[in-house]
Amino acid sequence: GESVGLHLPTLSVQEGDNSIINCAYSNSASDYFIWYKQESGKGPQFIIDIRSNMDKRQGQRVTVLLNKTVKHLSLQIAATQPGDSAVYFCAERTAGKSTFGDGTTLTVKP
Amino acid sequence: ETGVTQSPTHLIKTRGQQVTLRCSSQSGHNTVSWYQQALGQGPQFIFQYYREEENGRGNFPPRFSGLQFPNYSSELNVNALELDDSALYLCASSLDRVGEQYFGPGTRLTVT
Repeated sequence: GESVGLHLPTLSVQEGDNSIINCAYSNSASDYFIWYKQESGKGPQFIIDIRSNMDKRQGQRVTVLLNKTVKHLSLQIAATQPGDSAVYFCAERTAGKSTFGDGTTLTVKP
Repeated sequence: ETGVTQSPTHLIKTRGQQVTLRCSSQSGHNTVSWYQQALGQGPQFIFQYYREEENGRGNFPPRFSGLQFPNYSSELNVNALELDDSALYLCASSLDRVGEQYFGPGTRLTVT
């Protein structure tokens, strides 16, 4: 079956730096990807999504890049803030079912 | 607009018992999906309900069952609880089967 995995379980950055969180997927037919942020005691919160007909999508301080050739996507957070500290998940969505990776814990040092 | 709510917040059950978890979807949403999140892992899809019918199921045994009511709220039932069922159970509602999912805070289930 399909799988989604993250490259690093933890990432520590200095406040103000840019953060990059990477994710790989296995199903070449996947066409919709979502990044979620999960804070302690809360459910996952939608950050940004991208469809397979795009290579890049930008939001407020966040950018998602999709490389279909190597089945890899990344989430870039600009000017990382303490409030960005959380667990970040990439997910592949097919027919309403989301397949999540195991998450990267981002810690922002003041 | 009220977000997705879940009850109870947490509970403790004994192996072999049965449990019912509840989810109220966001106003206007007709689809609810349930996920199991073990500690340190990503959520795993259990099943989805759309307009009171099951619409897709993940790799979970039949002792995991659900219901969706006419007001689109939903229940997750787990029979014959096992220790490995200890997890955070998340529900997510969406406008339709493929729309953006809005997650509730989850129910933390501990099986002893």
